[in-house]
Amino acid sequence: QKEVEQNSGPLSVPEGAIASLNCTYSDRVSQSFFWYRQYSGKSPELIMSIYSNGDKEDGRFTAQLNKASQYVSLLIRDSQPSDSATYLCAVTGESKLTFGTGTRLQVTL
Amino acid sequence: DTAVSQTPKYLVTQMGNDKSIKCEQNLGHDTMYWYKQDSKKFLKIMFSYNNKELIINETVPNRFSPKSPDKAHLNLHINSLELGDSAVYFCASSRGRSGELFFGEGSRLTVL
Repeated sequence: QKEVEQNSGPLSVPEGAIASLNCTYSDRVSQSFFWYRQYSGKSPELIMSIYSNGDKEDGRFTAQLNKASQYVSLLIRDSQPSDSATYLCAVTGESKLTFGTGTRLQVTL
Repeated sequence: DTAVSQTPKYLVTQMGNDKSIKCEQNLGHDTMYWYKQDSKKFLKIMFSYNNKELIINETVPNRFSPKSPDKAHLNLHINSLELGDSAVYFCASSRGRSGELFFGEGSRLTVL
């Protein structure tokens, strides 16, 4: 059983729309949750972290966490072509950070 | 000024050879990591050091040996390279075990 699961995509959304990326995790004691963005051929970069249930907003990005459902999501408002990348969900547990396989997002003109 | 730097960025080598990848961070972080990203883009932790002490050692063949001479450096040596070792290896660092990682640019290893 995968520890952190994401739909691999690609998720295609038109420019200006809201992109919704989802992630589920298996370890109930996980405490910290992160979203990383990885452009093709580049390294992952942290874009959002969330530690408690609810929503956290940062510019066009909103992270949502529901620990009861073991679910974390990332919303990108007003999607831009520059948002086209793979988005990696990551969860801490057992003193290590575990990544999902990522969701590839394509923002179309 | 690069925060986490890895060298070399590209390695092409034959099966059976030995190779090393070096990593340095100037962020003042105390924890460093090696991750492997395979052709399917799955990012998997290999090792983690905190203040030069090994704290995470995943199920990795003994041919892989990390070394941390100080908390700003973490190197990876690979013996007897195999085809399956072909991947991109990322070094990363963080303050403590926060999960907020800063990654290097990656080192793409190709074993022929």
